[in-house]
Amino acid sequence: DTAVSQTPKYLVTQMGNDKSIKCEQNLGHDTMYWYKQDSKKFLKIMFSYNNKELIINETVPNRFSPKSPDKAHLNLHINSLELGDSAVYFCASSRGYQPQHFGDGTRLSIL
Amino acid sequence: SQQGEEDPQALSIQEGENATMNCSYKTSINNLQWYRQNSGRGLVHLILIRSNEREKHSGRLRVTLDTSKKSSSLLITASRAADTASYFCATGETSGSRLTFGEGTQLTVNP
Repeated sequence: DTAVSQTPKYLVTQMGNDKSIKCEQNLGHDTMYWYKQDSKKFLKIMFSYNNKELIINETVPNRFSPKSPDKAHLNLHINSLELGDSAVYFCASSRGYQPQHFGDGTRLSIL
Repeated sequence: SQQGEEDPQALSIQEGENATMNCSYKTSINNLQWYRQNSGRGLVHLILIRSNEREKHSGRLRVTLDTSKKSSSLLITASRAADTASYFCATGETSGSRLTFGEGTQLTVNP
């Protein structure tokens, strides 16, 4: 009964590759988010969608492209991966301004 | 941009002792939230305090908010080894669902 699920949990790939991370929530929430957590555990918002519409788009390289096919899904596609993209990426969801529910993260390692 | 700063960065105590973590922020807020992150897992919401509230309790957790000083504290009483985790404060903006996270406090409770 996972509320927010991300796949894959681990992603190891070469520099220059393109990869996608998928996120699904079964909580009926209307807002979904992507965060990046660096090696010092600093958590930074990247994107947010409300009812499939982009509402937060932080200063993120345009190699990162979110896609929300429906309210329950928010995927993250990354082109031309760079060493600096290595991090843990978290998906989260909420109902409006209510507290956010997080997935367990995708650990991305670039070789 | 980073909103919150947390103090201390790391805290090590014995089981049964109380743990206090502090958070400072810079801008006006709608609410302040505390989250816990166990190693290798996503963040879990603990408690939310609104900008017009000064103190809130939930089980062994006590949160205070001083909007004049732009600071908050989280007190965990009678700590347990299972409380070992990173604790993050996050400020909710006055409009919208964006959360801005602090740097986190790593709490270690020794049995």
